[in-house]
Amino acid sequence: QKEVEQNSGPLSVPEGAIASLNCTYSDRGSQSFFWYRQYSGKSPELIMSIYSNGDKEDGRFTAQLNKASQYVSLLIRDSQPSDSATYLCAVYGGATNKLIFGTGTLLAVQP
Amino acid sequence: KAGVTQTPRYLIKTRGQQVTLSCSPISGHRSVSWYQQTPGQGLQFLFEYFSETQRNKGNFPGRFSGRQFSNSRSEMNVSTLELGDSALYLCASSLEQQGFYGYTFGSGTRLTVV
Repeated sequence: QKEVEQNSGPLSVPEGAIASLNCTYSDRGSQSFFWYRQYSGKSPELIMSIYSNGDKEDGRFTAQLNKASQYVSLLIRDSQPSDSATYLCAVYGGATNKLIFGTGTLLAVQP
Repeated sequence: KAGVTQTPRYLIKTRGQQVTLSCSPISGHRSVSWYQQTPGQGLQFLFEYFSETQRNKGNFPGRFSGRQFSNSRSEMNVSTLELGDSALYLCASSLEQQGFYGYTFGSGTRLTVV
């Protein structure tokens, strides 16, 4: 079992729709959870962090964490073509004390 | 405030050679981590340095090594290069010793081994 798992996609959504990205993790001791956005040819950029169960909203982005289910999600409301990128889920803490990344989900927002 | 600076941006090396990559963290950040990114494996953790000490290490062979200087700048070295070492090498810095609050990444060094 991979430490952090994501569906590789591509996830295709029409402009203006809600994009839903999901991630599961294996280490129950994990403490902090992140979503990074990576445009093609660029480095990852931190867009959301979440530390406790529930929802955290920042503009059009909402991160959701359910530690009992070991599940993290990212919702992007009113998706724009400029949101087209690979979204990386990252999990920190637990047994390894490393920031572990999933392989990413490619999101394509169709105009 | 300057971000994380990595040099060089691109490198082409021949199998068997060695290479050194450099990273300057955000001013005030004392933790520097290195990752290898390939299309097949994604982002793989190499190592983390804090106050000149290696605090954590990933599952890479001993050909991969690093160090951190007193000004928090870090270097990563790969010896006896193999074709499979071709990747984007990313450096990330954080204020705290560990990644609890996440990392800020540099632009990366694209290494091609021929």
